[in-house]
Amino acid sequence: NAGVTQTPKFQVLKTGQSMTLQCAQDMNHEYMSWYRQDPGMGLRLIHYSVGAGITDQGEVPNGYNVSRSTTEDFPLRLLSAAPSQTSVYFCASSPAGGASEKLFFGSGTQLSVL
Amino acid sequence: EDQVTQSPEALRLQEGESSSLNCSYTVSGLRGLFWYRQDPGKGPEFLFTLYSAGEEKEKERLKATLTKKESFLHITAPKPEDSATYLCAVRGNTNAGKSTFGDGTTLTVKP
Repeated sequence: NAGVTQTPKFQVLKTGQSMTLQCAQDMNHEYMSWYRQDPGMGLRLIHYSVGAGITDQGEVPNGYNVSRSTTEDFPLRLLSAAPSQTSVYFCASSPAGGASEKLFFGSGTQLSVL
Repeated sequence: EDQVTQSPEALRLQEGESSSLNCSYTVSGLRGLFWYRQDPGKGPEFLFTLYSAGEEKEKERLKATLTKKESFLHITAPKPEDSATYLCAVRGNTNAGKSTFGDGTTLTVKP
């Protein structure tokens, strides 16, 4: 099993550009989520999904869009990149969305917005 | 709103010098408290889940404990390969779909 796969690993954007960060999992997990991690800080939740066709906002959703058309994929779209979105982005999944379930993380995407 | 505070921010130990990391939390109805390990340039990796006060879990040199207000990650006779950032997270009844993370403790173990 590959687990949670994120692409790309690194990305540099100019202010105002748009892009999509890809996340795919092969564990048949219902719950998927996106976090951002800034230096010296913990993970902050951007958006999450409890199943195909269902998404909801997390703690810091502004400037980001998500959709969940399949169980496997949960892409994160930056609509108009800003320097404040420079960060490391992690995708995570867990089985069935239960509140007691641990998260499985991807290896991250390091994004720089100039 | 769920909150997690970890201390210290950074901890330097000599190999074999035991210590503890602290995670203080406030949550409306604890569904689970989680410890993760994160190596530089990688995603967090799950270590433990604790569900109720008094519970303890062990794995090699690590032992996690839980009270109603805090959790401790005890590291016994650490080795350099234990160097990493340790993250604490909670999931509560009112935010069942969301994990709230602390800022982490960066542990460095010198040989």
